[in-house]
Amino acid sequence: EVQLVESGGGLVKPGRSLRLSCSASGFTFDDYAMHWVRQAPGKGLEWVSGISWNSGGIGYADSVKGRFTISRDNAKNSLYLQMNSLRVEDTALYYCSKAGHFRFYDWYCDHWGQGTLVTVSS
Amino acid sequence: SSELTQDPAVSVASGQTVRITCQGDSLRSYYASWYQQKPGQAPVVVIHDKDKRPSGIPDRFSGSSSGNTASLTITGALAEDEAVYYCNSRDSSANRVVFGGGTKLTVL
Repeated sequence: EVQLVESGGGLVKPGRSLRLSCSASGFTFDDYAMHWVRQAPGKGLEWVSGISWNSGGIGYADSVKGRFTISRDNAKNSLYLQMNSLRVEDTALYYCSKAGHFRFYDWYCDHWGQGTLVTVSS
Repeated sequence: SSELTQDPAVSVASGQTVRITCQGDSLRSYYASWYQQKPGQAPVVVIHDKDKRPSGIPDRFSGSSSGNTASLTITGALAEDEAVYYCNSRDSSANRVVFGGGTKLTVL
């Protein structure tokens, strides 16, 4: 059974940093691209960042480019999101999601974690 | 970057058919996927690669596409289908992904 468990969320002041982690199990992690998707309270889904199975392809939403860095450690079956210079508008539930196709940087996410809440407030 | 546009809300009588649409230039080049999200839950994919249904998704859900518009059709909607539905696709910019704003489906 595929499991994605996010951690690292919390309350942080504007301008500070936070690192999210996603621990994956139940599939061969290094064969699939992964994504971070966030959802502000009462709002829709917003793609944040994605990374290919071998870290050769990486993308960021304009809203986070230059501030957030996605990475993965295939040996540890883990995905990360380093978030710097946090803003109030970064407040959201952050989901980790697995791409659906083998070794393809695709946008179809077949499994999602339950999310970790990031609150940016002074 | 590209955008995907969805109607904010749609309603359907129980047992009837409803179509939810998603428009965007990127859909001329890339297939849409569709996700169902119920309150307090993570999204669940109901259609991928334009018209593929994952195992466990009822066959009343179907997908199609024409030009810059992708559609999710629920044939014989049930009360349990009440949720917010999101489309997504690849952005025209390299390695970016985009989601539509979501459509809240009410089953009357």
